[in-house]
Amino acid sequence: GNSVTQMEGPVTLSEEAFLTINCTYTATGYPSLFWYVQYPGEGLQLLLKATKADDKGSNKGFEATYRKETTSFHLEKGSVQVSDSAVYFCALNEAGGGADGLTFGKGTHLIIQP
Amino acid sequence: GAGVSQSPSNKVTEKGKDVELRCDPISGHTALYWYRQSLGQGLEFLIYFQGNSAPDKSGLPSDRFSAERTGGSVSTLTIQRTQQEDSAVYLCASSLVTGGANSPLHFGNGTRLTVT
Repeated sequence: GNSVTQMEGPVTLSEEAFLTINCTYTATGYPSLFWYVQYPGEGLQLLLKATKADDKGSNKGFEATYRKETTSFHLEKGSVQVSDSAVYFCALNEAGGGADGLTFGKGTHLIIQP
Repeated sequence: GAGVSQSPSNKVTEKGKDVELRCDPISGHTALYWYRQSLGQGLEFLIYFQGNSAPDKSGLPSDRFSAERTGGSVSTLTIQRTQQEDSAVYLCASSLVTGGANSPLHFGNGTRLTVT
């Protein structure tokens, strides 16, 4: 079956530090990959996505590249801000897979200190 | 509103009582999902509705949990005889169609359920 593994937190960084949150996946097919972000007290929001190998998703200064050879989709940001403090979820979705095709990682809690 | 709406935002109930949680998806979204988010446990899939098809109930943890979706729109998640381990945030999400990158999930803000 499908699975998503991401680094467990909390991850604590100082403002303006470089961020990497690792995410690897296993899938039977050729999935689309996502990062969702959950700010305190809110639901999850789509942050970025990639649909095929070597695609780079980007949004709000965050980037992630779909690496088929390493089955990875690591999230990066060059200079984090306090407002980036949130829980980040890596996810995959196999086309036509229905609910079974949508798999989330357990989430990584990111804390940015001023 | 334009987003997924869930109510109530918070619910405190006594052990053994029944609770109903409501989700209003984005208009026109055919797929609707319920997830449970417990502290440190990530997202646990509960149930999935797609159009008029029979729901995928494979994630429901026990027969105390049930859900329905009336008219292909509003959904209600019911937990009977609540237990303390049911305490969690219950998230609802909808998407235009199922599967693929062009139909990402849109989540509500969740209902925080506390069973005392």
